[in-house]
Amino acid sequence: SQQGEEDPQALSIQEGENATMNCSYKTSINNLQWYRQNSGRGLVHLILIRSNEREKHSGRLRVTLDTSKKSSSLLITASRAADTASYFCATGSDYNQGGKLIFGQGTELSVKP
Amino acid sequence: DSGVTQTPKHLITATGQRVTLRCSPRSGDLSVYWYQQSLDQGLQFLIQYYNGEERAKGNILERFSAQQFPDLHSELNLSSLELGDSALYFCASSAWTGDYGYTFGSGTRLTVV
Repeated sequence: SQQGEEDPQALSIQEGENATMNCSYKTSINNLQWYRQNSGRGLVHLILIRSNEREKHSGRLRVTLDTSKKSSSLLITASRAADTASYFCATGSDYNQGGKLIFGQGTELSVKP
Repeated sequence: DSGVTQTPKHLITATGQRVTLRCSPRSGDLSVYWYQQSLDQGLQFLIQYYNGEERAKGNILERFSAQQFPDLHSELNLSSLELGDSALYFCASSAWTGDYGYTFGSGTRLTVV
């Protein structure tokens, strides 16, 4: 079962523009994470934000979390062609539930040179 | 190289057969997670092991089973294979359970013919 729903499903932008992806989820969470997947390859962890945090930065990535709205957003600034990939949000459960991650369906980002 | 090793990379087998997928977690990680990725179902959590014990179970079919051995490597056994089992199977590992990002392997692409 999917916990997160991502919006948009696909996004096409020009190099240098910013890309924003949104994620909504249904149940309470311990943390929310974002991953990138290049076509057919393994997922790469980008950033983790805990349920008591509201915003986090890592390089060109900015993640926000609004637990009252059960939503998160990932902003990639000054995008590059190499950012072309699928981006997934994943909600993390607490220790008592094993800490497992439930992934959304993903946003397919295309950055054109 | 992410540090998580999955073998084999590709597997083609006939319906009704049984296969075993193998995963070696990143050095020091105690938790192993198995995911199935298909076009129609997305990334589905199957099962988690922590230090040799089953920790959480997801949408894993009864025809599928897994275990984690004392050296922490894990195996996912898929039996009575059906065409619909064709998918990418990912293994991921993390240091603990809960508040950590996962490290994913590059996956095993299973094709059932």
